[in-house]
Amino acid sequence: AQSVTQPDIHITVSEGASLELRCNYSYGATPYLFWYVQSPGQGLQLLLKYFSGDTLVQGIKGFEAEFKRSQSSFNLRKPSVHWSDAAEYFCAVGASSGDKLTFGTGTRLAVRP
Amino acid sequence: DSGVTQTPKHLITATGQRVTLRCSPRSGDLSVYWYQQSLDQGLQFLIQYYNGEERAKGNILERFSAQQFPDLHSELNLSSLELGDSALYFCASSVGGANYGYTFGSGTRLTVV
Repeated sequence: AQSVTQPDIHITVSEGASLELRCNYSYGATPYLFWYVQSPGQGLQLLLKYFSGDTLVQGIKGFEAEFKRSQSSFNLRKPSVHWSDAAEYFCAVGASSGDKLTFGTGTRLAVRP
Repeated sequence: DSGVTQTPKHLITATGQRVTLRCSPRSGDLSVYWYQQSLDQGLQFLIQYYNGEERAKGNILERFSAQQFPDLHSELNLSSLELGDSALYFCASSVGGANYGYTFGSGTRLTVV
């Protein structure tokens, strides 16, 4: 069965600073990987996804993520954080069977003015 | 608006009662997934339906049941409610399998008192 670990529960960064949120997955084959963002009181919104091909994927809102098979990681990055990026971020992994996505426990991002 | 509609947005009910949560998937999506989100358990997969048929089951209690109707809307029934069932319940839809990525609804917040 697949699993996801997001080691950081809370992260605080200053507005304008760069951001990297960590995600490690466990799955025997090539995974399907996703990052979602959840604002308070809202549902989850898809930021980006990786299936195959180029290991650096671009998403919405200026986010990107890099798949590193050797490290079983799919870290999310943004070069310059905006106050509106404050939210909770979830990494998710899907198996080739396509039956469900398994989510990490999330990383709550706070942005310092 | 994600295109996935969940009703009601909030529900307060007493222990022992039964409630029904409703989800209308995004137009064209055949799969519906139900998740429970709580502070201590994170996002837990409950069940998946594809075009009216149950496809995958997760950590769904026997007191909970779901179905997907011919018009593709889905209902999650929760009975003999306990305080611990208080959580945010999300519905997500996908055009096919989970590996296409989900579109989430805004959730139903259930409070059992």
